[in-house]
Amino acid sequence: QVQLVQSGGGVVQPGMSLRLSCAASGFTFSSYGMHWVRQAPGKGLEWVSQIPFDGSNQYYADSVQGRFTISRDNSENTLFLQLNSLRVEDTAVYYCAKDQVRRKTGALDIWGQGAMVTVSS
Amino acid sequence: DIQMTQSPSSLSASVGDRVTITCQASQDISNFLNWYQQKPGKAPKFLIYDASDLETGVPSRFSGSGSGTHFTFTISNLQPEDVATYYCQQYHNLPLTFGGGTKVEIK
Repeated sequence: QVQLVQSGGGVVQPGMSLRLSCAASGFTFSSYGMHWVRQAPGKGLEWVSQIPFDGSNQYYADSVQGRFTISRDNSENTLFLQLNSLRVEDTAVYYCAKDQVRRKTGALDIWGQGAMVTVSS
Repeated sequence: DIQMTQSPSSLSASVGDRVTITCQASQDISNFLNWYQQKPGKAPKFLIYDASDLETGVPSRFSGSGSGTHFTFTISNLQPEDVATYYCQQYHNLPLTFGGGTKVEIK
């Protein structure tokens, strides 16, 4: 079935780095844009980043611009998020999510199970 | 950035009741509006896209309407399994933005 399985996450100190992965199966990964969305403890959903189906561009929320990098490996059906210069306020559950259709980005029809990132000294 | 204002932030209703949530965009987003359901400890679930189209497999008691800046989400016959937080989200342009969420409980 169509699914996204996440790995990575953990507890790190401020200023450190972490890499999240999201393995796709059950659909043609290389045909869809992908996103990262995060949710701080007890808070709402915040969009983080988007990458088109071919990886030709990357888009970021202002809060992570210059610190986070989204990428994808279409040969391995995997999406990545590199988190650098982490701050306490980056503490959240991070979800990967798939675009519903190729023609218009932003309707997120399939979500990963989430990965907890805790930034604490 | 487009701001999404969702209300109420929480509500309590009885099984079988009709529940309505509203979402207002800070600018015209046409019908580029989605609704998600999130249960505690789980990932969001995609319910409605393009303001009013039901995702495959979603029960028909869920519905959405609206365009431009004002949108509504309705559960027509509230069931115990509908206890969750519901979010609207615009995808007229990036950055994608979400409403603050509405927590739905059973009275």
